[in-house]
Amino acid sequence: SQQGEEDPQALSIQEGENATMNCSYKTSINNLQWYRQNSGRGLVHLILIRSNEREKHSGRLRVTLDTSKKSSSLLITASRAADTASYFCATDGGNQFYFGTGTSLTVIP
Amino acid sequence: GAVVSQHPSRVICKSGTSVKIECRSLDFQATTMFWYRQFPKQSLMLMATSNEGSKATYEQGVEKDKFLINHASLTLSTLTVTSAHPEDSSFYICSVEGRRHTEAFFGQGTRLTVV
Repeated sequence: SQQGEEDPQALSIQEGENATMNCSYKTSINNLQWYRQNSGRGLVHLILIRSNEREKHSGRLRVTLDTSKKSSSLLITASRAADTASYFCATDGGNQFYFGTGTSLTVIP
Repeated sequence: GAVVSQHPSRVICKSGTSVKIECRSLDFQATTMFWYRQFPKQSLMLMATSNEGSKATYEQGVEKDKFLINHASLTLSTLTVTSAHPEDSSFYICSVEGRRHTEAFFGQGTRLTVV
Protein backbone atom coordinates (compact mmCIF):
# COMPACT_ATOMS: atom_id res chain seq x y z
CA SER A 1 0.00 0.00 0.00
CA GLN A 2 1.19 3.49 -0.73
CA GLN A 3 0.41 6.16 1.79
CA GLY A 4 3.23 8.59 1.34
CA GLU A 5 3.26 11.51 -0.98
CA GLU A 6 6.17 12.87 -2.88
CA ASP A 7 6.65 16.09 -4.69
CA PRO A 8 7.27 17.04 -7.27
CA GLN A 9 5.81 14.20 -9.30
CA ALA A 10 8.19 15.06 -12.09
CA LEU A 11 11.38 17.08 -12.17
CA SER A 12 13.54 18.01 -15.13
CA ILE A 13 16.92 19.66 -14.66
CA GLN A 14 20.16 20.30 -16.51
CA GLU A 15 23.18 18.16 -15.83
CA GLY A 16 25.23 19.65 -13.03
CA GLU A 17 22.28 21.17 -11.22
CA ASN A 18 20.99 19.93 -7.90
CA ALA A 19 17.75 18.01 -7.60
CA THR A 20 15.55 18.08 -4.52
CA MET A 21 12.66 15.73 -3.89
CA ASN A 22 10.34 15.79 -0.92
CA CYS A 23 8.39 13.08 0.82
CA SER A 24 5.63 13.39 3.38
CA TYR A 25 4.14 10.57 5.40
CA LYS A 26 1.37 10.01 7.88
CA THR A 27 2.36 7.44 10.47
CA SER A 28 5.10 7.30 13.09
CA ILE A 29 8.18 5.58 11.76
CA ASN A 30 11.26 3.66 12.78
CA ASN A 31 13.15 4.76 9.71
CA LEU A 32 12.69 6.21 6.25
CA GLN A 33 14.35 4.92 3.14
CA TRP A 34 14.94 6.26 -0.33
CA TYR A 35 15.05 4.09 -3.42
CA ARG A 36 15.56 4.66 -7.11
CA GLN A 37 14.02 2.73 -9.96
CA ASN A 38 15.13 2.73 -13.55
CA SER A 39 12.72 1.70 -16.26
CA GLY A 40 12.21 -2.04 -16.28
CA ARG A 41 14.35 -2.55 -13.22
CA GLY A 42 13.57 -3.13 -9.56
CA LEU A 43 14.08 -0.74 -6.72
CA VAL A 44 17.62 -0.03 -5.64
CA HIS A 45 18.16 1.07 -2.08
CA LEU A 46 19.92 4.43 -1.78
CA ILE A 47 19.93 5.50 1.82
CA LEU A 48 18.21 4.84 5.15
CA ILE A 49 17.71 7.45 7.83
CA ARG A 50 16.53 6.49 11.29
CA SER A 51 13.86 8.36 13.17
CA ASN A 52 16.40 9.80 15.62
CA GLU A 53 18.57 11.17 12.82
CA ARG A 54 18.04 14.52 11.14
CA GLU A 55 20.46 14.40 8.24
CA LYS A 56 22.50 11.81 6.42
CA HIS A 57 24.96 11.90 3.54
CA SER A 58 26.05 9.30 1.05
CA GLY A 59 28.22 10.49 -1.81
CA ARG A 60 26.21 13.03 -3.78
CA LEU A 61 23.08 12.24 -1.80
CA ARG A 62 21.86 14.17 1.17
CA VAL A 63 18.74 13.17 3.07
CA THR A 64 16.99 15.13 5.78
CA LEU A 65 14.25 13.99 8.10
CA ASP A 66 11.85 16.14 10.09
CA THR A 67 9.71 13.86 12.21
CA SER A 68 7.73 16.78 13.63
CA LYS A 69 6.56 17.61 10.11
CA LYS A 70 6.56 14.00 8.99
CA SER A 71 8.63 14.87 5.99
CA SER A 72 11.92 14.03 4.35
CA SER A 73 13.90 15.41 1.46
CA LEU A 74 16.42 13.87 -0.90
CA LEU A 75 19.00 16.14 -2.48
CA ILE A 76 21.13 14.95 -5.36
CA THR A 77 24.01 17.32 -5.96
CA ALA A 78 25.83 17.85 -9.24
CA SER A 79 23.34 15.71 -11.09
CA ARG A 80 24.33 13.48 -13.99
CA ALA A 81 22.37 12.11 -16.89
CA ALA A 82 22.69 8.68 -15.27
CA ASP A 83 20.66 9.95 -12.31
CA THR A 84 17.58 9.95 -14.55
CA ALA A 85 15.18 7.58 -12.79
CA SER A 86 12.20 7.46 -10.48
CA TYR A 87 12.83 7.99 -6.80
CA PHE A 88 10.66 6.62 -4.02
CA CYS A 89 10.61 7.13 -0.31
CA ALA A 90 9.44 4.35 1.97
CA THR A 91 8.60 4.48 5.63
CA ASP A 92 9.06 1.58 7.98
CA GLY A 93 6.69 1.76 10.92
CA GLY A 94 7.70 -1.62 12.26
CA ASN A 95 4.62 -3.52 11.27
CA GLN A 96 4.04 -2.11 7.83
CA PHE A 97 5.94 -0.63 4.96
CA TYR A 98 4.62 2.37 3.06
CA PHE A 99 5.87 3.77 -0.22
CA GLY A 100 5.50 7.24 -1.62
CA THR A 101 4.10 7.86 -5.06
CA GLY A 102 7.49 8.58 -6.55
CA THR A 103 9.25 11.45 -8.28
CA SER A 104 10.36 11.10 -11.86
CA LEU A 105 13.70 12.84 -12.35
CA THR A 106 15.05 13.66 -15.78
CA VAL A 107 18.58 15.03 -16.04
CA ILE A 108 19.24 16.62 -19.39
CA PRO A 109 22.82 16.28 -20.65
CA GLY B 1 -3.63 3.64 -10.17
CA ALA B 2 -2.94 -0.01 -10.39
CA VAL B 3 -3.79 -2.30 -7.52
CA VAL B 4 -1.49 -5.09 -6.53
CA SER B 5 -2.79 -7.82 -4.29
CA GLN B 6 -0.38 -9.98 -2.34
CA HIS B 7 -1.42 -13.03 -0.40
CA PRO B 8 -1.05 -14.15 2.31
CA SER B 9 -0.23 -11.17 4.49
CA ARG B 10 1.13 -13.34 7.26
CA VAL B 11 2.21 -16.95 7.36
CA ILE B 12 3.81 -19.14 9.95
CA CYS B 13 5.27 -22.42 8.79
CA LYS B 14 7.38 -25.22 10.14
CA SER B 15 11.01 -25.54 9.22
CA GLY B 16 11.45 -27.70 6.15
CA THR B 17 8.11 -26.92 4.58
CA SER B 18 7.44 -24.75 1.53
CA VAL B 19 5.45 -21.57 1.38
CA LYS B 20 3.91 -19.96 -1.67
CA ILE B 21 3.29 -16.22 -1.88
CA GLU B 22 1.10 -14.79 -4.62
CA CYS B 23 1.28 -11.38 -6.22
CA ARG B 24 -1.56 -10.30 -8.48
CA SER B 25 -1.85 -7.24 -10.65
CA LEU B 26 -5.54 -6.43 -10.61
CA ASP B 27 -5.77 -3.52 -13.01
CA PHE B 28 -3.47 -4.23 -15.87
CA GLN B 29 -1.23 -6.82 -17.38
CA ALA B 30 2.25 -6.81 -15.94
CA THR B 31 5.03 -8.40 -17.94
CA THR B 32 7.46 -7.68 -15.15
CA MET B 33 7.09 -8.00 -11.40
CA PHE B 34 9.71 -7.61 -8.72
CA TRP B 35 10.21 -9.51 -5.48
CA TYR B 36 11.90 -7.97 -2.45
CA ARG B 37 12.85 -9.10 1.01
CA GLN B 38 13.23 -6.97 4.08
CA PHE B 39 14.86 -8.04 7.31
CA PRO B 40 13.89 -6.16 10.48
CA LYS B 41 15.12 -2.59 10.55
CA GLN B 42 16.83 -3.00 7.20
CA SER B 43 16.03 -1.80 3.72
CA LEU B 44 14.26 -3.67 1.00
CA MET B 45 16.53 -5.86 -1.01
CA LEU B 46 15.63 -6.86 -4.53
CA MET B 47 15.60 -10.62 -4.80
CA ALA B 48 14.55 -11.21 -8.36
CA THR B 49 12.79 -9.88 -11.40
CA SER B 50 9.89 -12.00 -12.51
CA ASN B 51 9.32 -12.06 -16.27
CA GLU B 52 6.09 -13.35 -17.76
CA GLY B 53 6.67 -16.44 -19.83
CA SER B 54 10.37 -16.72 -19.10
CA LYS B 55 12.75 -17.45 -16.29
CA ALA B 56 13.16 -15.02 -13.46
CA THR B 57 16.32 -13.00 -13.11
CA TYR B 58 17.85 -13.40 -9.68
CA GLU B 59 20.07 -10.94 -7.88
CA GLN B 60 23.47 -12.02 -6.75
CA GLY B 61 23.37 -14.09 -3.60
CA VAL B 62 19.76 -15.18 -4.00
CA GLU B 63 19.36 -18.92 -4.42
CA LYS B 64 17.09 -19.58 -7.37
CA ASP B 65 16.46 -23.17 -6.29
CA LYS B 66 15.31 -22.02 -2.90
CA PHE B 67 13.18 -19.10 -4.01
CA LEU B 68 11.16 -20.36 -6.94
CA ILE B 69 9.43 -17.73 -9.01
CA ASN B 70 6.71 -18.48 -11.48
CA HIS B 71 5.15 -15.81 -13.68
CA ALA B 72 2.77 -17.90 -15.67
CA SER B 73 0.34 -15.16 -16.59
CA LEU B 74 0.36 -11.43 -17.09
CA THR B 75 -1.44 -10.88 -13.80
CA LEU B 76 0.12 -13.39 -11.44
CA SER B 77 3.58 -14.06 -10.12
CA THR B 78 4.29 -16.49 -7.31
CA LEU B 79 7.27 -16.81 -5.01
CA THR B 80 7.75 -20.18 -3.33
CA VAL B 81 10.16 -20.43 -0.45
CA THR B 82 11.21 -24.05 -0.50
CA SER B 83 12.46 -26.00 2.51
CA ALA B 84 12.06 -22.94 4.65
CA HIS B 85 14.43 -22.31 7.53
CA PRO B 86 14.13 -19.87 10.42
CA GLU B 87 16.63 -17.57 8.72
CA ASP B 88 14.15 -17.19 5.86
CA SER B 89 11.81 -15.43 8.25
CA SER B 90 11.39 -12.02 6.73
CA PHE B 91 9.03 -9.58 5.09
CA TYR B 92 8.50 -10.29 1.41
CA ILE B 93 6.93 -7.74 -0.91
CA CYS B 94 6.24 -7.62 -4.59
CA SER B 95 5.95 -4.67 -6.92
CA VAL B 96 4.68 -4.04 -10.40
CA GLU B 97 6.00 -1.43 -12.74
CA GLY B 98 3.23 0.74 -14.10
CA ARG B 99 2.49 1.47 -17.71
CA ARG B 100 4.79 4.43 -17.29
CA HIS B 101 8.16 3.50 -15.94
CA THR B 102 7.81 6.27 -13.42
CA GLU B 103 5.19 4.29 -11.56
CA ALA B 104 5.58 1.42 -9.16
CA PHE B 105 2.81 -0.31 -7.29
CA PHE B 106 3.43 -2.48 -4.31
CA GLY B 107 1.69 -5.42 -2.74
CA GLN B 108 0.79 -5.35 0.92
CA GLY B 109 3.69 -7.62 1.77
CA THR B 110 3.91 -11.02 3.42
CA ARG B 111 5.44 -11.53 6.80
CA LEU B 112 6.89 -15.04 6.89
CA THR B 113 7.83 -16.67 10.16
CA VAL B 114 9.52 -20.05 10.06
CA VAL B 115 9.48 -21.92 13.33
